Amino acid sequence: GAVVSQHPSRVICKSGTSVKIECRSLDFQATTMFWYRQFPKQSLMLMATSNEGSKATYEQGVEKDKFLINHASLTLSTLTVTSAHPEDSSFYICSAVRQPNTEAFFGQGTRLTVV
Amino acid sequence: QKEVEQNSGPLSVPEGAIASLNCTYSDRGSQSFFWYRQYSGKSPELIMSIYSNGDKEDGRFTAQLNKASQYVSLLIRDSQPSDSATYLCAVRGSSGNTPLVFGKGTRLSVIA
Repeated sequence: GAVVSQHPSRVICKSGTSVKIECRSLDFQATTMFWYRQFPKQSLMLMATSNEGSKATYEQGVEKDKFLINHASLTLSTLTVTSAHPEDSSFYICSAVRQPNTEAFFGQGTRLTVV
Repeated sequence: QKEVEQNSGPLSVPEGAIASLNCTYSDRGSQSFFWYRQYSGKSPELIMSIYSNGDKEDGRFTAQLNKASQYVSLLIRDSQPSDSATYLCAVRGSSGNTPLVFGKGTRLSVIA
């Protein structure tokens, strides 16, 4: 299957600082990537759809000024959590689709802990 | 609102038995259906994809799709303790690059 690499896998940051998470498609070009958040014992919640070369589309209730998404190339999307607070602590996962209507491949996920 | 429903479980089966996981979806226009397995603390990994009515088999796994009933299932034969995980049903609508809609997952426990 296709490989999606996410980095870092785990990060601890202080409240008020910003954290950048990278998502790369290693062996295919992904015009669209998706960012999810998962709280313990809950399902994946879609945060935003990231399109190469254009602005991300955010789901209702997700603050676009807090969760900055940049999809600068066909193989890289980044999510920056700005002014992080303890309630932002969660498991963030990106995914990418190689071709329309096909399966999504997931990155390894990033465990963010804000202290 | 597009919804995907799964029984949260836990579903407990003895080792060697068949585990049956079920999923229903609300969007009748959905075209693509997927089963993912997620171990605790890890990201989901694809188990099966199915696009047309009927059965699709891959090793110990069989996915079944019935679009008329808006129902997808996953059968795991000869269940192993290593199959213990949360299984997520995911559905995509008719547009190619729309995000997957996930169910809340069914937690499977295979008891040795």
